[in-house]
Amino acid sequence: AAGVIQSPRHLIKEKRETATLKCYPIPRHDTVYWYQQGPGQDPQFLISFYEKMQSDKGSIPDRFSAQQFSDYHSELNMSSLELGDSALYFCASIKSQGLGTEAFFGQGTRLTVV
Amino acid sequence: AQKITQTQPGMFVQEKEAVTLDCTYDTSDPSYGLFWYKQPSSGEMIFLIYQGSYDQQNATEGRYSLNFQKARKSANLVISASQLGDSAMYFCAMRAPLTGTASKLTFGTGTRLQVTL
Repeated sequence: AAGVIQSPRHLIKEKRETATLKCYPIPRHDTVYWYQQGPGQDPQFLISFYEKMQSDKGSIPDRFSAQQFSDYHSELNMSSLELGDSALYFCASIKSQGLGTEAFFGQGTRLTVV
Repeated sequence: AQKITQTQPGMFVQEKEAVTLDCTYDTSDPSYGLFWYKQPSSGEMIFLIYQGSYDQQNATEGRYSLNFQKARKSANLVISASQLGDSAMYFCAMRAPLTGTASKLTFGTGTRLQVTL
């Protein structure tokens, strides 16, 4: 079965650089979430999209932006990177209609800012 | 606001034994879903099991079962016949309301399970 695809898997950037993370949700899933997980932390919600429209926003810095495209893939853009942005970034896709029993995560992108 | 509480930062279990990982939740929404995820050291977040608030029976998936006690607002994960490969971090998460398009997954702080010989 198709899973959530995230790219790249690993990314090393310098301070003040820009990074773009990509997420390809499971086909027919209409909702995408982005999460940030620091070392030893639980995942923190950043932002979500339902049917290509932003549906909710969490603790996402102003330096970050995201969008969902017509093919349902989503991109998280991060600018002016700081050392504290080093984390595992997850994308999850959910079929929100119905009982919402499917909530699968991609393998994550490990971002290291040096 | 939704809240998930996992009070066990770490647990040990012997191989082949059963173990229960605790999770309590708080929400005012009558419709919600509870999820358990496994995160091994490699980092990926693996979906294990799901329980809906209106489900009459406790969910089971292979060696995983969910002890759902709605009145107590608890959704404990039971792993039977533990294996060394079960060693990982386990997260309980909730999505409420289920029908909302804006409802996110809220996570607990996780329990690190170590399976020993």
